This record gives sequence, C-alpha cells and structure tokens, in this order.
Amino acid sequence: DGGITQSPKYLFRKEGQNVTLSCEQNLNHDAMYWYRQDPGQGLRLIYYSQIVNDFQKGDIAEGYSVSREKKESFPLTVTSAQKNPTAFYLCASTDLLRANYGYTFGSGTRLTVV
Amino acid sequence: SQQGEEDPQALSIQEGENATMNCSYKTSINNLQWYRQNSGRGLVHLILIRSNEREKHSGRLRVTLDTSKKSSSLLITASRAADTASYFCATGTYNYGQNFVFGPGTRLSVLP
Repeated sequence: DGGITQSPKYLFRKEGQNVTLSCEQNLNHDAMYWYRQDPGQGLRLIYYSQIVNDFQKGDIAEGYSVSREKKESFPLTVTSAQKNPTAFYLCASTDLLRANYGYTFGSGTRLTVV
Repeated sequence: SQQGEEDPQALSIQEGENATMNCSYKTSINNLQWYRQNSGRGLVHLILIRSNEREKHSGRLRVTLDTSKKSSSLLITASRAADTASYFCATGTYNYGQNFVFGPGTRLSVLP
C-alpha cells in the first residue's frame, strides 16, 4: 500500500542536541511538507519542497533544516537553535498536478525535550 | 496570511445527533478542504469544495461554501462515537503548487 512513513513515533532530545525526523513516501508525489502542531492548535508550516534539491521556508523555519536529495525522502532536522522544539511534527505530501485532491499525511512524530 | 478559523473550538453532542462546524477565512480562495485528526495521529483528507461550488456530499458529510460570506460549514449527520476527532479546514488559493493554510480546528466529542 502507498503512503507516508514517519519515524520515529516518539523522540526525546536533550538540550543542545540536534535530532532528525524521517519522512518517506512511496506515492510518487512531487511536493512534501513539514508542519508543527502544538497542543490544541492548528498546523504551522515549517518547510516545503516541490522538487528534488529545492525547498522553501514556511512560516516558522527558524531552528529547523531540511534536505530533499530524493523524491521519496524529506528529512527534518531540529537544531539546537530551536528553543522550544517540544511539539507534534507532521509530514505531508501531494501530487502537484492533482493538488486539489488534498494532502496525504504521515502519522506524526512526537518530539519532547528532556 | 489567509487562514481558516473554525468555530466552535469544541463541540460535544450525543450519538445520533448532527454536528455542524464552521470555517471562516479572510481572502479569496480557489478551494477549501476539510480534514479529520484522531488524537495523536496524522490528518485525513475528508472533502474538497471548489470556489465555484456551493455544496458537496460524501457519505454522512455535507460541506457548504459561501464565498460572499467567506465561510464554509461541515455537517456530519447521524454522528457516531467514532466521529470523535478534531476537524480542520484548509484554504488554497491556486490550482497548482499551492500550500494550504490550516485553521486551529474544532474538537468534536460524540458521547455514546
């Protein structure tokens, strides 16, 4: 079955540590997105990519970095510069030619600073 | 930036009742989508309505769009306990290459 896989499901980060969240899709989608969700709130866009080797900042990119070396993969690194990283992170993808069919989301990674 | 704002923030109903959630937005849109999120999970796409459409149905879901009032509503008929989730609207302004903007969501609780 096609879909998006996020890993790990839970992640714990120590102060000053960089961590990388994985997002892999086998839907042959062009575009991939990273969102952050805080308790009881909506989704805020961190980064997005519409083509391999290219990505754009979203609304809250500071303290985060991404890469898009393969169409299937869009990992997100939460750097030590992100002062409040505890949140639920969601990866999504879409076929740009069929964007009106909506996003497909992964099941999320819950990141906690310890 | 444009943003959908859902109303109410939280809604609690009995099983079998209908649930209505509203979404308002600020600027012109090309389409509007509704998503569901079960607790601790990713979002699931429910339905899309284009700016030239007024109403769409999908099973027990009915979505309306009033572009003059910049608002949309999601109606879930004959609700079930399994409908308990958060519901988000997302607005898009283009047909291609757009990023959808999500509102804060309505938290629906369906009591058995």
